[in-house]
Amino acid sequence: QKEVEQNSGPLSVPEGAIASLNCTYSDRGSQSFFWYRQYSGKSPELIMFIYSNGDKEDGRFTAQLNKASQYVSLLIRDSQPSDSATYLCAVRGSNYQLIWGAGTKLIIKP
Amino acid sequence: DTAVSQTPKYLVTQMGNDKSIKCEQNLGHDTMYWYKQDSKKFLKIMFSYNNKELIINETVPNRFSPKSPDKAHLNLHINSLELGDSAVYFCASSPAATYNEQFFGPGTRLTVL
Repeated sequence: QKEVEQNSGPLSVPEGAIASLNCTYSDRGSQSFFWYRQYSGKSPELIMFIYSNGDKEDGRFTAQLNKASQYVSLLIRDSQPSDSATYLCAVRGSNYQLIWGAGTKLIIKP
Repeated sequence: DTAVSQTPKYLVTQMGNDKSIKCEQNLGHDTMYWYKQDSKKFLKIMFSYNNKELIINETVPNRFSPKSPDKAHLNLHINSLELGDSAVYFCASSPAATYNEQFFGPGTRLTVL
């Protein structure tokens, strides 16, 4: 059973600090990794995705992959209260289907 | 200019009833999905259609029947509703089955009494 695991949190981070979210995956052959943000009562929205060939930075967000340890991270620099949400990690399986983690709830404290 | 839309947004019904949820996307995408998100926020894929053809059919009770009249629409019909069907149902679309950048609709909160 291919799995994606995340710490459910909540992860509490002071405003302006770096928030670090992690997700581990079981399928060593996975090559695409996605981070979605979901505000309470809203639908998931894609923040960024990376392939197995490298990390990616987009504004305050950086996604990093550690293939050897099979985990992917999302770093949020200069955290803002508006970043408070649940962050869902998804990994593309061998049949192109996304396998989802249960999400980490992030709280940014002013 | 809504990209992925669903109707209704809320659905409250009695056990045993039959209900439908409709989804439409105007992004020109080929692939559409139905997800169920339970109270623990876990997203579970139910079905996926690519150009009107069913490509993912997860272990879902056969009371759930998807229908895709064209590639811009994917509907979900649920027969004989049960208490455990209460959840938020999300429709999503992606450019192709091999592209996993999925765009989600606003969700339909189904409550079965």
